[in-house]
Amino acid sequence: AQSVTQLGSHVSVSEGALVLLRCNYSSSVPPYLFWYVQYPNQGLQLLLKYTTGATLVKGINGFEAEFKKSETSFHLTKPSAHMSDAAEYFCAVRSALGGADGLTFGKGTHLIIQP
Amino acid sequence: DGGITQSPKYLFRKEGQNVTLSCEQNLNHDAMYWYRQDPGQGLRLIYYSQIVNDFQKGDIAEGYSVSREKKESFPLTVTSAQKNPTAFYLCASNLQGGEQYFGPGTRLTVT
Repeated sequence: AQSVTQLGSHVSVSEGALVLLRCNYSSSVPPYLFWYVQYPNQGLQLLLKYTTGATLVKGINGFEAEFKKSETSFHLTKPSAHMSDAAEYFCAVRSALGGADGLTFGKGTHLIIQP
Repeated sequence: DGGITQSPKYLFRKEGQNVTLSCEQNLNHDAMYWYRQDPGQGLRLIYYSQIVNDFQKGDIAEGYSVSREKKESFPLTVTSAQKNPTAFYLCASNLQGGEQYFGPGTRLTVT
């Protein structure tokens, strides 16, 4: 069984400040990890993913995440927040061995950008 | 352009009526999924299908039904047995082992 915990349902940062969204996962098998972004009344868009190889993964819009197996974490960061980053962010996990039932999602973190 | 389409964007129904949400993909993906999204609860899996003419219940299948007669299509019916059907519904698809691609969603309001 797999699970995802996103710490903080709401995170508020100032424009230009560091963005840090936390994600911890639980998986009994090697995981594939994903971050998605959702703007109001839209579907989810993939930001970045970790499958194998380099543990620091770069994504779109200046975001990156680091897979830390020892900490079972996959936190999302961006050095300088922009107003357009305000959205809902979801962390997700799936088994690297293949999972018929797809991804397991966290409950999401709403990112608020203060001007 | 390849992608997933969901229609309509907004749907309104009276309580006691069945309603069918459309999901079509031209990505040639085998697997398709339906999720329900409520504020503060993330995405919850309703049904999924790995191949044509086969589908499995997810975590919250009660009150919903699906069909998979074509690879490209995976419609979801919200039946009158669903006690709280008002929600945002998302359809997704993926290649085996890959990331999921999402449609734009349908917001269903039942009064």
